[in-house]
Amino acid sequence: AQSVTQLDSQVPVFEEAPVELRCNYSSSVSVYLFWYVQYPNQGLQLLLKYLSGSTLVESINGFEAEFNKSQTSFHLRKPSVHISDTAEYFCAVKTGNQFYFGTGTSLTVIP
Amino acid sequence: SQTIHQWPATLVQPVGSPLSLECTVEGTSNPNLYWYRQAAGRGLQLLFYSVGIGQISSEVPQNLSASRPQDRQFILSSKKLLLSDSGFYLCAWTRYAGNTEAFFGQGTRLTVV
Repeated sequence: AQSVTQLDSQVPVFEEAPVELRCNYSSSVSVYLFWYVQYPNQGLQLLLKYLSGSTLVESINGFEAEFNKSQTSFHLRKPSVHISDTAEYFCAVKTGNQFYFGTGTSLTVIP
Repeated sequence: SQTIHQWPATLVQPVGSPLSLECTVEGTSNPNLYWYRQAAGRGLQLLFYSVGIGQISSEVPQNLSASRPQDRQFILSSKKLLLSDSGFYLCAWTRYAGNTEAFFGQGTRLTVV
């Protein structure tokens, strides 16, 4: 079975500073990669995904993630964060019909 | 467009009482359906998934069960709740074909007292 590791459970960062949320997974065989964002007491919303093609994928609100097959990583980055980015972020790997989620990273943007 | 509905949004139940959480999907056919539980600080735990009517796969043995009586309906049940069943329950669906993302409902906050 897959395992997904999000190394940082909490990441505080000042507004307008850059941020990187790390994600590593256990196997690179036929995987599809996702980042989701969750606001308090809500479901998960897709932030971005890697299925194939370019290893750098971007979201509409300035986040990007790069698929690195050799390092089995899919780190999420944003060059300048906003207060509204405060949320829980989950990395996920899909193999077959199943999704495997990391334990999440709580991003807190400090004014 | 496709939508997913999950209810109730919050629920407080006594220990030993039954549970029924419902999830329905609109605007698609033959979706794969999932139930997850999210405990504080522990990420998402896959409980059940289904690839068709009456087809349920259980990932974690526990006192919960799932059923899929219709193509786009997925129900999570328990005969007797335990304190440890408290958590945030999320329903999700994916398209039957293709490696696409999962779409999540808004979740049910269950507190067992």
